[in-house]
Amino acid sequence: QVQLQESGPGLVKPSETLSLTCTVSGGSVSIGTYYWHWIRQPPGKGLEWIGYINYSGTINYNPSLKSRVTISTDKAKNQFSLKLSSVTAADTAVYYCGRSFKGMDWGQGTLVTVSS
Amino acid sequence: QAVVTQEPSLTVSPGGTVTLTCGSSIGAVTSGHWPYWFQQKPGQAPRTLIYDTTDKHSWTPARFSGSLLGGKAALILSGAQPEDEADYYCILTFSGSCVFGGGTKLTVL
Repeated sequence: QVQLQESGPGLVKPSETLSLTCTVSGGSVSIGTYYWHWIRQPPGKGLEWIGYINYSGTINYNPSLKSRVTISTDKAKNQFSLKLSSVTAADTAVYYCGRSFKGMDWGQGTLVTVSS
Repeated sequence: QAVVTQEPSLTVSPGGTVTLTCGSSIGAVTSGHWPYWFQQKPGQAPRTLIYDTTDKHSWTPARFSGSLLGGKAALILSGAQPEDEADYYCILTFSGSCVFGGGTKLTVL
């Protein structure tokens, strides 16, 4: 049973870069059939897909965030990461990582607040 | 970018049947959009109920099923239970890019 755990700063200043890591246990980010996602949910609102990466080299981002997002994998640490630049208060959300292929597994989520 | 639409809210009686739908602004939803359905309860992470239109996770109660209906993806709940009260989200894939619907708040009353 795969487990996903998000980690990173809970508070980020406006205009800075938000950086989160998802640590994978019980599975490998190196398996090419899986897609590794980042998804967020602003307080009291719906889910928004940010993007995914596949170890075979496929990367896809939400067009509305594409200019600010980078998703990457670290095979040695069995992790994948999210960087979101030039953040504003509108980026305040619970950020989830997930794994999909024939189903989707989710992390527990981590709240990131953008505030000075 | 496509907009994915869901009913904002629905109410079902205990033991009743309700259909939640997931539509696309750019045409009919097909199995090629790989519809997924998620359930989210307050304060919890979402969990997957249905993937690839009709397939269930091992933990998906038998009373939930997925299908295509009238050009939309559908989540059918037959025999609603009080614990089914939750928010439900669908997600569709368009040429590799994923889009969530706005979610349906389901009340069991």
